[in-house]
Amino acid sequence: DVKVTQSSRYLVKRTGEKVFLECVQDMDHENMFWYRQDPGLGLRLIYFSYDVKMKEKGDIPEGYSVSREKKERFSLILESASTNQTSMYLCASRLGGEVRPYEQYFGPGTRLTVT
Amino acid sequence: QKEVEQDPGPLSVPEGAIVSLNCTYSNSAFQYFMWYRQYSRKGPELLMYTYSSGNKEDGRFTAQVDKSSKYISLFIRDSQPSDSATYLCAMSADRTTDSWGKLQFGAGTQVVVTP
Repeated sequence: DVKVTQSSRYLVKRTGEKVFLECVQDMDHENMFWYRQDPGLGLRLIYFSYDVKMKEKGDIPEGYSVSREKKERFSLILESASTNQTSMYLCASRLGGEVRPYEQYFGPGTRLTVT
Repeated sequence: QKEVEQDPGPLSVPEGAIVSLNCTYSNSAFQYFMWYRQYSRKGPELLMYTYSSGNKEDGRFTAQVDKSSKYISLFIRDSQPSDSATYLCAMSADRTTDSWGKLQFGAGTQVVVTP
């Protein structure tokens, strides 16, 4: 079974703090993704990575950056947290290439509150 | 206008009823059509996928895609309380596009099956 783990289930941070969200997958997947999930808006893609050290912006990258130094780990960074970044953050991974492009494996999510 | 539209519900049905969910979309390049299920405090997991148009059945679940109308549906027969979850439609274009490997999600419909 693919397992995607996220470093925290709940996180409370103050406005202006630098926030790191960590994601680890254990199935040697090439592709990894960061989404945020908000009521009525569904999942929106923040950043994704096709491979180590490669990253591309998703639909809502403003205010976020990412890091992928190792294949199994993908980090989301909020450089200066703001209250409008309060959300559920979901990490996902996919095998890569042309294999099962429709299937992503998700972590349990991190609920971030910025006060 | 969002690329994928989905009514967020909630949709409440009695046990044993048929649950009918649907999404509409605007991007004619979408070729993969998925339904993900998300239980409370969990990440989404793939339930079913369909490539291009047509129907697909898996046990009590039936997925339908009508590309001419840009409309997809998911039916759950003989619904059970354990089917209570949020159901997200997702779509993806094929490998000839820049968005290959990325998914566009609907807002998700919350379904509650009451005993």
